[in-house]
Amino acid sequence: EDQVTQSPEALRLQEGESSSLNCSYTVSGLRGLFWYRQDPGKGPEFLFTLYSAGEEKEKERLKATLTKKESFLHITAPKPEDSATYLCAVQARNTGKLIFGQGTTLQVKP
Amino acid sequence: NAGVMQNPRHLVRRRGQEARLRCSPMKGHSHVYWYRQLPEEGLKFMVYLQKENIIDESGMPKERFSAEFPKEGPSILRIQQVVRGDSAAYFCASSPGDSYEQYFGPGTRLTVT
Repeated sequence: EDQVTQSPEALRLQEGESSSLNCSYTVSGLRGLFWYRQDPGKGPEFLFTLYSAGEEKEKERLKATLTKKESFLHITAPKPEDSATYLCAVQARNTGKLIFGQGTTLQVKP
Repeated sequence: NAGVMQNPRHLVRRRGQEARLRCSPMKGHSHVYWYRQLPEEGLKFMVYLQKENIIDESGMPKERFSAEFPKEGPSILRIQQVVRGDSAAYFCASSPGDSYEQYFGPGTRLTVT
């Protein structure tokens, strides 16, 4: 069964304190791994797609990496506006649906 | 460049009534997906549609739920005879194809009283 597990469930950081979020997955043939950001009361906002092990993508203070079993979302020198829930999802080959993890809720204090 | 649009944003229904949720995909997108987010739970896939076709409905409850994406107009998620357990946020996403990233709408928050 395709499955995604994210850790930690919640993370509190001081402004400027770098850290990483983990996404472990099992999927029968990975088509892509996706990272989204979700603010309270809003829909998920697309951040990155990773397709193969070793791939990395960056956007401002965020960097996503992928191995055959997990993905990391590295947050460098976070700011309070980075506070949100970060969602990881996988898509298997021959399917359109995304399988989501439970998310990591990040709080960055000034 | 309008994103995915959903309406209504909030919907209150009494037990036994019908709920109709609408989704207009991004311009140029012909693939629509519906997801449900129950309180304190993650996003769960419900159904995947293209124009006039249901591609994958493996996440849809067997009864009371149906979805369509007609040739003209928005995609509709219909819930008949709602129960309290249907209270959730329902999100629609769209993409230009099945192997592309999905862009989400703001969601419809359904409350069943």
